[in-house]
Amino acid sequence: AQSVTQPDIHITVSEGASLELRCNYSYGATPYLFWYVQSPGQGLQLLLKYFSGDTLVQGIKGFEAEFKRSQSSFNLRKPSVHWSDAAEYFCAVGARGNNNDMRFGAGTRLTVKP
Amino acid sequence: NAGVTQTPKFQVLKTGQSMTLQCAQDMNHEYMSWYRQDPGMGLRLIHYSVGAGITDQGEVPNGYNVSRSTTEDFPLRLLSAAPSQTSVYFCASSYSVFYADTQYFGPGTRLTVL
Repeated sequence: AQSVTQPDIHITVSEGASLELRCNYSYGATPYLFWYVQSPGQGLQLLLKYFSGDTLVQGIKGFEAEFKRSQSSFNLRKPSVHWSDAAEYFCAVGARGNNNDMRFGAGTRLTVKP
Repeated sequence: NAGVTQTPKFQVLKTGQSMTLQCAQDMNHEYMSWYRQDPGMGLRLIHYSVGAGITDQGEVPNGYNVSRSTTEDFPLRLLSAAPSQTSVYFCASSYSVFYADTQYFGPGTRLTVL
């Protein structure tokens, strides 16, 4: 079965600095990959997804992620972080792109310093 | 549209008590699901439904029951609550089980079992 690891539990960056959140997956074939954001007291919101094609995918709120098959990674990036980006970020992997076979990482909590 | 709504937002139970977490969506989505979110473990799928009258087990179904009598509602029942069920519960819905990138999440219910 597929699985995903987010190595960083908590990251702190200064406002305006760049951001990279790490995600490593385990799956034998080409996976379906997702990044979600969860603001305090809210449900999860999809930031971006990779199903196939271009390995650099653009999402909402200025985020992008790059699928690297050789490294089994799908890291999330943003060139300049805003205070409103403070939230928890979840990477997820699916075998078939179906809702019922997704596996979520444990999450990375992002703190933004003024 | 209200999207996905969950009630209650917070609940405290004693061991052995029963309760039902409510979930409703007004988007005419066929697929609905329940996740639990525990620290350090990400989201794990409890039960899901691909349409009215059809339910199935997810990754962690033990101790929970579900039913789907209408398209709109998907309640989660705890028949005899245990401290291990202390968690944050999220309901989600999607147009179809096959479109994982269209999943909408509710705001969550924080459950504490003493």
